[in-house]
Amino acid sequence: TQLLEQSPQFLSIQEGENLTVYCNSSSVFSSLQWYRQEPGEGPVLLVTVVTGGEVKKLKRLTFQFGDARKDSSLHITAAQPGDTGLYLCAGAPNSGYALNFGKGTSLLVTP
Amino acid sequence: EAGVAQSPRYKIIEKRQSVAFWCNPISGHATLYWYQQILGQGPKLLIQFQNNGVVDDSQLPKDRFSAERLKGVDSTLKIQPAKLEDSAVYLCASGRAGVSTDTQYFGPGTRLTVL
Repeated sequence: TQLLEQSPQFLSIQEGENLTVYCNSSSVFSSLQWYRQEPGEGPVLLVTVVTGGEVKKLKRLTFQFGDARKDSSLHITAAQPGDTGLYLCAGAPNSGYALNFGKGTSLLVTP
Repeated sequence: EAGVAQSPRYKIIEKRQSVAFWCNPISGHATLYWYQQILGQGPKLLIQFQNNGVVDDSQLPKDRFSAERLKGVDSTLKIQPAKLEDSAVYLCASGRAGVSTDTQYFGPGTRLTVL
Protein backbone atom coordinates (compact mmCIF):
# COMPACT_ATOMS: atom_id res chain seq x y z
CA THR A 1 0.00 0.00 0.00
CA GLN A 2 1.44 3.35 -1.05
CA LEU A 3 1.25 5.95 1.71
CA LEU A 4 0.17 9.50 0.96
CA GLU A 5 1.16 12.10 3.53
CA GLN A 6 -0.87 15.29 3.54
CA SER A 7 0.17 18.52 5.21
CA PRO A 8 -0.81 20.49 7.06
CA GLN A 9 -3.38 18.39 8.87
CA PHE A 10 -5.41 21.45 9.88
CA LEU A 11 -5.49 24.98 8.49
CA SER A 12 -7.56 27.92 9.69
CA ILE A 13 -7.37 31.14 7.69
CA GLN A 14 -9.36 34.28 7.04
CA GLU A 15 -11.28 35.02 3.88
CA GLY A 16 -9.06 36.48 1.18
CA GLU A 17 -5.86 34.72 2.20
CA ASN A 18 -3.91 32.35 -0.03
CA LEU A 19 -2.92 28.84 1.00
CA THR A 20 -1.14 25.73 -0.24
CA VAL A 21 -1.65 22.16 0.90
CA TYR A 22 0.64 19.29 0.05
CA CYS A 23 0.41 15.60 -0.76
CA ASN A 24 3.66 13.62 -0.64
CA SER A 25 4.76 10.04 -1.08
CA SER A 26 7.97 8.07 -1.51
CA SER A 27 6.26 6.10 -4.29
CA VAL A 28 5.48 6.97 -7.90
CA PHE A 29 1.86 7.34 -8.94
CA SER A 30 0.44 6.92 -12.41
CA SER A 31 -2.26 9.42 -11.53
CA LEU A 32 -3.41 11.47 -8.60
CA GLN A 33 -6.78 12.94 -7.71
CA TRP A 34 -7.89 15.69 -5.35
CA TYR A 35 -11.29 15.54 -3.64
CA ARG A 36 -13.12 17.92 -1.32
CA GLN A 37 -15.39 16.54 1.39
CA GLU A 38 -17.87 18.66 3.33
CA PRO A 39 -19.28 17.56 6.71
CA GLY A 40 -21.92 14.88 6.37
CA GLU A 41 -21.23 14.37 2.67
CA GLY A 42 -19.10 12.12 0.51
CA PRO A 43 -15.96 13.38 -1.25
CA VAL A 44 -16.38 15.21 -4.55
CA LEU A 45 -13.71 15.02 -7.24
CA LEU A 46 -11.94 18.30 -8.02
CA VAL A 47 -9.23 17.23 -10.47
CA THR A 48 -7.23 14.32 -11.88
CA VAL A 49 -3.56 14.78 -12.85
CA VAL A 50 -1.67 12.17 -14.84
CA THR A 51 1.47 13.80 -16.28
CA GLY A 52 4.55 14.73 -14.27
CA GLY A 53 4.84 18.51 -13.99
CA GLU A 54 1.21 18.98 -15.00
CA VAL A 55 -0.57 22.10 -13.75
CA LYS A 56 -4.36 22.38 -13.79
CA LYS A 57 -6.48 25.33 -12.78
CA LEU A 58 -10.06 25.28 -11.55
CA LYS A 59 -11.15 28.87 -10.94
CA ARG A 60 -9.16 29.92 -7.84
CA LEU A 61 -7.67 26.46 -7.31
CA THR A 62 -4.33 25.47 -8.89
CA PHE A 63 -3.19 21.86 -8.81
CA GLN A 64 0.33 20.70 -9.60
CA PHE A 65 1.69 17.18 -10.06
CA GLY A 66 5.38 16.82 -9.25
CA ASP A 67 7.85 16.09 -12.04
CA ALA A 68 8.67 12.71 -10.51
CA ARG A 69 4.96 11.97 -9.91
CA LYS A 70 5.54 11.43 -6.19
CA ASP A 71 3.92 14.59 -4.89
CA SER A 72 1.24 17.15 -5.58
CA SER A 73 0.10 20.50 -4.29
CA LEU A 74 -3.15 22.44 -4.20
CA HIS A 75 -3.00 26.22 -4.06
CA ILE A 76 -6.09 28.30 -3.31
CA THR A 77 -6.05 32.01 -4.12
CA ALA A 78 -8.23 34.42 -2.15
CA ALA A 79 -9.93 31.73 -0.09
CA GLN A 80 -13.65 32.01 0.59
CA PRO A 81 -15.81 30.46 3.33
CA GLY A 82 -17.26 28.13 0.69
CA ASP A 83 -13.80 26.56 0.34
CA THR A 84 -14.12 25.13 3.86
CA GLY A 85 -13.86 21.35 3.89
CA LEU A 86 -11.57 18.34 4.00
CA TYR A 87 -9.19 18.15 1.05
CA LEU A 88 -8.14 14.62 0.19
CA CYS A 89 -5.54 13.44 -2.26
CA ALA A 90 -5.72 9.93 -3.69
CA GLY A 91 -3.39 8.05 -6.00
CA ALA A 92 -2.69 4.68 -7.56
CA PRO A 93 0.53 3.08 -8.86
CA ASN A 94 -1.17 2.31 -12.15
CA SER A 95 -4.62 2.47 -13.64
CA GLY A 96 -5.56 -1.06 -12.63
CA TYR A 97 -5.04 -0.45 -8.94
CA ALA A 98 -7.46 0.96 -6.40
CA LEU A 99 -6.97 4.45 -5.06
CA ASN A 100 -5.13 5.08 -1.79
CA PHE A 101 -6.35 8.14 0.05
CA GLY A 102 -4.35 10.43 2.31
CA LYS A 103 -5.73 11.51 5.69
CA GLY A 104 -6.65 14.91 4.31
CA THR A 105 -6.17 18.57 5.18
CA SER A 106 -9.06 20.12 7.09
CA LEU A 107 -9.48 23.73 5.95
CA LEU A 108 -11.56 26.36 7.73
CA VAL A 109 -12.03 29.74 6.08
CA THR A 110 -13.64 32.34 8.31
CA PRO A 111 -15.32 35.53 7.07
CA GLU B 1 -28.74 12.46 -13.05
CA ALA B 2 -29.51 11.09 -9.59
CA GLY B 3 -26.54 10.60 -7.31
CA VAL B 4 -25.43 7.60 -5.29
CA ALA B 5 -28.03 6.73 -2.66
CA GLN B 6 -27.19 5.17 0.69
CA SER B 7 -29.30 4.09 3.63
CA PRO B 8 -29.56 4.35 6.50
CA ARG B 9 -27.73 7.65 7.09
CA TYR B 10 -27.11 6.85 10.75
CA LYS B 11 -27.02 3.64 12.76
CA ILE B 12 -26.25 2.99 16.41
CA ILE B 13 -25.77 -0.59 17.58
CA GLU B 14 -24.16 -2.45 20.43
CA LYS B 15 -21.03 -4.53 19.95
CA ARG B 16 -21.61 -8.06 18.73
CA GLN B 17 -24.81 -7.02 16.95
CA SER B 18 -25.21 -7.20 13.18
CA VAL B 19 -25.81 -4.33 10.79
CA ALA B 20 -26.36 -3.91 7.05
CA PHE B 21 -25.92 -0.94 4.76
CA TRP B 22 -27.48 -0.45 1.35
CA CYS B 23 -26.18 1.40 -1.71
CA ASN B 24 -27.81 2.27 -5.03
CA PRO B 25 -25.19 3.52 -7.51
CA ILE B 26 -25.67 5.91 -10.39
CA SER B 27 -27.55 4.22 -13.21
CA GLY B 28 -25.24 2.63 -15.75
CA HIS B 29 -22.13 2.69 -13.58
CA ALA B 30 -20.36 -0.67 -13.77
CA THR B 31 -18.05 -0.14 -10.82
CA LEU B 32 -19.12 0.07 -7.19
CA TYR B 33 -16.87 0.71 -4.19
CA TRP B 34 -17.35 0.47 -0.44
CA TYR B 35 -15.03 2.55 1.74
CA GLN B 36 -14.58 2.86 5.49
CA GLN B 37 -13.70 6.32 6.79
CA ILE B 38 -12.67 6.48 10.42
CA LEU B 39 -12.79 9.92 12.05
CA GLY B 40 -9.72 11.94 11.15
CA GLN B 41 -8.64 9.64 8.33
CA GLY B 42 -9.17 9.31 4.61
CA PRO B 43 -11.42 6.67 3.08
CA LYS B 44 -10.05 3.12 3.04
CA LEU B 45 -11.24 0.79 0.29
CA LEU B 46 -13.04 -2.28 1.60
CA ILE B 47 -14.25 -3.83 -1.65
CA GLN B 48 -14.57 -3.01 -5.34
CA PHE B 49 -17.13 -4.60 -7.66
CA GLN B 50 -17.09 -4.56 -11.45
CA ASN B 51 -20.68 -5.34 -12.42
CA ASN B 52 -21.49 -8.17 -10.00
CA GLY B 53 -17.95 -9.55 -9.71
CA VAL B 54 -15.40 -8.71 -7.01
CA VAL B 55 -12.28 -6.93 -8.30
CA ASP B 56 -10.52 -6.16 -5.01
CA ASP B 57 -11.47 -7.21 -1.48
CA SER B 58 -7.95 -7.42 -0.08
CA GLN B 59 -8.70 -5.00 2.79
CA LEU B 60 -12.10 -6.43 3.71
CA PRO B 61 -12.06 -8.15 7.14
CA LYS B 62 -13.73 -11.24 5.81
CA ASP B 63 -14.26 -12.83 9.23
CA ARG B 64 -16.92 -10.23 9.99
CA PHE B 65 -17.60 -8.18 6.87
CA SER B 66 -19.42 -9.35 3.76
CA ALA B 67 -20.72 -7.59 0.68
CA GLU B 68 -22.72 -8.47 -2.37
CA ARG B 69 -23.89 -6.67 -5.47
CA LEU B 70 -27.23 -7.96 -6.61
CA LYS B 71 -27.60 -8.25 -10.38
CA GLY B 72 -24.75 -5.78 -10.83
CA VAL B 73 -26.76 -2.83 -9.51
CA ASP B 74 -27.55 -2.34 -5.79
CA SER B 75 -25.14 -3.49 -3.13
CA THR B 76 -25.27 -4.35 0.56
CA LEU B 77 -22.44 -4.36 3.08
CA LYS B 78 -22.90 -6.37 6.27
CA ILE B 79 -20.99 -6.50 9.52
CA GLN B 80 -21.54 -9.48 11.78
CA PRO B 81 -20.65 -9.23 14.63
CA ALA B 82 -19.72 -5.56 15.02
CA LYS B 83 -16.78 -4.41 17.14
CA LEU B 84 -16.15 -1.04 18.74
CA GLU B 85 -13.44 -0.27 16.16
CA ASP B 86 -16.00 -0.56 13.35
CA SER B 87 -17.40 2.84 14.33
CA ALA B 88 -16.89 4.89 11.17
CA VAL B 89 -18.61 6.37 8.13
CA TYR B 90 -19.22 3.80 5.41
CA LEU B 91 -19.10 5.38 1.98
CA CYS B 92 -20.36 3.90 -1.25
CA ALA B 93 -19.07 5.20 -4.58
CA SER B 94 -19.69 4.31 -8.20
CA GLY B 95 -17.83 4.89 -11.44
CA ARG B 96 -18.06 4.09 -15.13
CA ALA B 97 -14.80 2.36 -15.89
CA GLY B 98 -13.17 1.08 -12.72
CA VAL B 99 -9.71 2.53 -13.41
CA SER B 100 -7.83 4.86 -11.09
CA THR B 101 -8.32 7.91 -13.35
CA ASP B 102 -12.07 7.38 -13.34
CA THR B 103 -14.28 9.83 -11.48
CA GLN B 104 -15.75 8.20 -8.41
CA TYR B 105 -19.13 9.55 -7.34
CA PHE B 106 -19.67 9.16 -3.62
CA GLY B 107 -22.87 8.83 -1.66
CA PRO B 108 -23.42 10.74 1.61
CA GLY B 109 -22.34 7.76 3.70
CA THR B 110 -23.74 5.84 6.65
CA ARG B 111 -22.41 6.88 10.03
CA LEU B 112 -22.12 3.79 12.26
CA THR B 113 -21.64 4.03 16.00
CA VAL B 114 -20.87 0.82 17.88
CA LEU B 115 -21.39 1.06 21.65
